[in-house]
Amino acid sequence: SQTIHQWPATLVQPVGSPLSLECTVEGTSNPNLYWYRQAAGRGLQLLFYSVGIGQISSEVPQNLSASRPQDRQFILSSKKLLLSDSGFYLCAWQPGSASDTQYFGPGTRLTVL
Amino acid sequence: AQKVTQAQTEISVVEKEDVTLDCVYETRDTTYYLFWYKQPPSGELVFLIRRNSFDEQNEISGRYSWNFQKSTSSFNFTITASQVVDSAVYFCALSGTKGTYKYIFGTGTRLKVLA
Repeated sequence: SQTIHQWPATLVQPVGSPLSLECTVEGTSNPNLYWYRQAAGRGLQLLFYSVGIGQISSEVPQNLSASRPQDRQFILSSKKLLLSDSGFYLCAWQPGSASDTQYFGPGTRLTVL
Repeated sequence: AQKVTQAQTEISVVEKEDVTLDCVYETRDTTYYLFWYKQPPSGELVFLIRRNSFDEQNEISGRYSWNFQKSTSSFNFTITASQVVDSAVYFCALSGTKGTYKYIFGTGTRLKVLA
């Protein structure tokens, strides 16, 4: 069966510090991968998605970036965090077609102080 | 343009009551998919159901049931005999226009089930 992991689970970072969040999927090949952000009490905002290694599409221009160095690994990064980057970051995977179900990871709660 | 509306921001019910969460969508696609997810306090989004636009049969899974009506562009979710463990935020979503990978999520409905 497929499993999705995210780490760290919780992170507190100062403004201006770098960020690296990791997402890995097990038990599947060539999944579509997604990064979402959820601000406190708000809905889901799609940040990036990837349909293959090295292929990244950005939905929202900001100081975040994403990379997919391996088939089942998706990384969210920032060189300098802003206060507004605080939120709950969710990674999701999807079997293949854009209309397939997306399955979400446990999330990373990021607080920028 | 595609859109998903969950007009109910928050609902409170007493345990064992039935509750319906509304979802209204807009799309020009003839083929599309609708989803419901549950987000418990832990934060992880849990997939509940996926329904394609050609299947208007109601779905029942235990205490959960879904009513899909294309005529009113609605995909409502009913919990029968609610339990405290049902307390969560529930999101309705619509698959993006063919060729895109973006789900259109509603803003969510927070359900509080009181003992």
